[in-house]
Amino acid sequence: AQKVTQAQTEISVVEKEDVTLDCVYETRDTTYYLFWYKQPPSGELVFLIRRNSFDEQNEISGRYSWNFQKSTSSFNFTITASQVVDSAVYFCALKTSYDKVIFGPGTSLSVIP
Amino acid sequence: NAGVTQTPKFQVLKTGQSMTLQCAQDMNHEYMSWYRQDPGMGLRLIHYSVGAGITDQGEVPNGYNVSRSTTEDFPLRLLSAAPSQTSVYFCASSYIGAGEQYFGPGTRLTVT
Repeated sequence: AQKVTQAQTEISVVEKEDVTLDCVYETRDTTYYLFWYKQPPSGELVFLIRRNSFDEQNEISGRYSWNFQKSTSSFNFTITASQVVDSAVYFCALKTSYDKVIFGPGTSLSVIP
Repeated sequence: NAGVTQTPKFQVLKTGQSMTLQCAQDMNHEYMSWYRQDPGMGLRLIHYSVGAGITDQGEVPNGYNVSRSTTEDFPLRLLSAAPSQTSVYFCASSYIGAGEQYFGPGTRLTVT
């Protein structure tokens, strides 16, 4: 069975603080893909980042960075110097070799000016 | 490209009524899926398809039917609506494998 857990239901930070969103996944597949999506208050779902199970290289893209660790089945997402526009619900998702995509329950991030 | 389109945007049904939520994509994606979003529950997979003629159940398939007769279209049918099906429904599509999903704007369904 596959499962995605996002233990943080809601996070509130003051603008310019760094914030890390946690994601833990479960799968028996050896080939899988992990994703982060953002849902701003307007409601649309926006793709942010993808990682496959063979690529543990962590990456920084502007204010965003990702930490993928297979040993702990975690795929955490960090926003540096948060801004009000980062306020959204963030979803972690797991796609297995059968192409079934399961989402976590989401973390609601509020950035206070 | 229109991307992923969904109709209608809003719908109110009475208990027991049936209806079809439409989803179409023009990106030639093999994979299409339906999710429902409820407060605190994230996005839960209802049904998905990896190509025309192929569908499979997701996490919460009961009360919903799908079919995939073309690559472009993936309608979701509610056979006999229940208040528990009040939700926001999202359709998504992607390439098979590593492809990220593109989402439609959602349909807000209320069942009274």
